[in-house]
Order: sequence, then structure tokens, then C-alpha cells
Amino acid sequence: DIQMTQSPSSLSASVGDRVTITCRASQGISNDLGWFQQQPGKAPKPLIYAASSLQSGVPSKFSGSGSGTDFTLTISSLQPEDFATYYCQQYNSYPITFGQGTRLEIK
Amino acid sequence: QLQLQESGPGLVKPSETLSLTCTVSGGSISSGSFYWGWIRQPPGKGLEWIGNIYYSGITYYNPSLKSRVTMSVDTSKNQFSLKLTSVTAADTAVYFCARQERGYSYDRPFDYWGQGTLVTVSS
Repeated sequence: DIQMTQSPSSLSASVGDRVTITCRASQGISNDLGWFQQQPGKAPKPLIYAASSLQSGVPSKFSGSGSGTDFTLTISSLQPEDFATYYCQQYNSYPITFGQGTRLEIK
Repeated sequence: QLQLQESGPGLVKPSETLSLTCTVSGGSISSGSFYWGWIRQPPGKGLEWIGNIYYSGITYYNPSLKSRVTMSVDTSKNQFSLKLTSVTAADTAVYFCARQERGYSYDRPFDYWGQGTLVTVSS
């Protein structure tokens, strides 16, 4: 199985800040990586596919990069609705695996 | 707009079988490029992929659950289903159904999700 490790596990930031979350795969996955945002009690919302492509309707304040084993999600100009938990997901090979999540909190 | 909706019992007794159905609306489950999956999330924890199914019945399961999982599809009802046998308290979770696009030369992460349904395993 491919293990996905996110860092940090939690992050405190202020409205207006720019933050970066990292996801590392235990082996190379090309660019077969997605990012999701999850609000409490809701289903995950897809943000990014193919490591750096925005899903339809997602604002450009979200950006992704990386290939192989190391990936990042950057969120610029944080707004109150951006404070949530973020997950990465690899779909390069079965079993599909997710990172453990990064909780983004308001400072 | 594609919509997915999970349904099934919210309470299952230990050692019994958990059964859930996902109804797809706004699109056909028989569309050639899509797999249909189940993902679960224990309370306060992360996401765990359970398995995927293609409309033809091809399945892929998480090895950690494979011995207890069966997925099936009913194209006439535009539904797919999950059965998880011999459940324990560790299977208590919100269960989501979702769609994954898989093309000839590309794949995508899950892009449409149901709202999720909480299944509690308790006597």
C-alpha cells in the first residue's frame, strides 16, 4: 500500500494569511494526487486533481504542486470559510489511500 | 447535476452485516468512464477507502477489509451497494459513496460524493 503522510497535522493561521500543507507519498505516484476540503459534518469537497489542476468552481486562491512523492497545497488570503480539514488522496494504484488530514484553525 | 445518496440502517448489531445502498441521480451509473466507490470515516478520524465497483461488476477492495466486503451494482435502478459482514464497534463510521473517473490514459480522484450516513455498531 502507498502511505500518504500529511504535515502538519494541525495549523493555526489568521484571516488573510497564506498557508501551505504538505503531502508525501511512500513511493512515487506521478501526479495522481487530489486534495479535498472537509467542513465538520459534511462530505469532502474536491479542490485539486492531477496534483495541480483546479476542480471546476474552485477559486484560484487554492493551488497545488508536486510530482512523484512530494506535493503541496497552498491557500492564499485565508477567509473564515477556509478553516476546515484538508486531505490528500492518491489514486495511482489500489488500494486508494488518503493522508491523515490537516486541521486548519483560526488563530 | 449528479447526485449520490446513501441509504440503509443507522444501527447494526455486532457480528451482523452492514448493508448500504447508494442511489445515483442526474447521470447514469453505466457511463463508461466512471467507477463508484465507498469511503468511510470513523467519528473524529480520517478517510478510509473501502472499495470501487464498475457498472459491469468489476470490483476493487481494500485488502484490509476484503474478506468482509462485497459490493454490487444494479444498473436498472442506478444504484450500487455495500455489504460488510461480521461488524464490530470499529466499523462505526460515516459511510460515503462517491464517483471516480477513470479514463484510458488518466484517472481522477473522487469528484462527486454523497452526504454520508452514520452507521453505529452497537447491541
